[in-house]
Amino acid sequence: EVQLLESGGGLVQPGGSLRLSCAASGFTFSNYAMSWVRQAPGKGLEWVSVISISGYTTYYADSVKGRFTISRDNSKNTLFLQMNSLRAEDTAVYYCAKIDREHYYDSSGYYPGQYWGQGTLVTVSS
Amino acid sequence: QSALTQPASVSGSPGQSITISCTGTSSDVGGYKYVSWYQQHPGKAPKLMIYDVTNRPSGVSDRFSGSKSGNTASLTISRLQPEDDADYHCISYTSSSTWVFGGGTKLTVL
Repeated sequence: EVQLLESGGGLVQPGGSLRLSCAASGFTFSNYAMSWVRQAPGKGLEWVSVISISGYTTYYADSVKGRFTISRDNSKNTLFLQMNSLRAEDTAVYYCAKIDREHYYDSSGYYPGQYWGQGTLVTVSS
Repeated sequence: QSALTQPASVSGSPGQSITISCTGTSSDVGGYKYVSWYQQHPGKAPKLMIYDVTNRPSGVSDRFSGSKSGNTASLTISRLQPEDDADYHCISYTSSSTWVFGGGTKLTVL
């Protein structure tokens, strides 16, 4: 059974940093690209970032580019999101999602797939 | 990366059909065959319902179908059921190799 478990959320002051983790199990993590999606309270979904299988290719939404860094450790089946220079507008539930296609290297196939975590809440406030 | 445009809400009665639109530009929806749709119930993670404009993942009811014309993609739900009452979100691939969501649509099954 595929499982994705996010952790690392919490309350942080504006300008601060936080590192989210997503522990994956039930599939061969190193065969799939992975992504982060967030949802501000009462709002719609916002695509944040995606990382390729190897970790060498990454893409970011303009709203987080230069502040957030996505990475992965295939030896530990874990996805990360390092968030720096946090702003109030970054307050959201952050979901990790598995990309459906195995061994896929074309970014056009990197839609968040069938498996999502339960989300972790990040609150940026003084 | 402007968000795609979706109606804030739609409604329908059980047994009816409804369509939710998702409008973008030639740099996203209109330029690619890569639009997906998600269903989200309150407090839950989104569920993939449609990918690549028209394809349904295994296990998704055939009452859900997707289409696209020009810069607008659409999700149609036929034979509405009470459990379809949820939020629906579209996402499209963009010319920047990134993805962009719509603002979400609240479907109310009357």
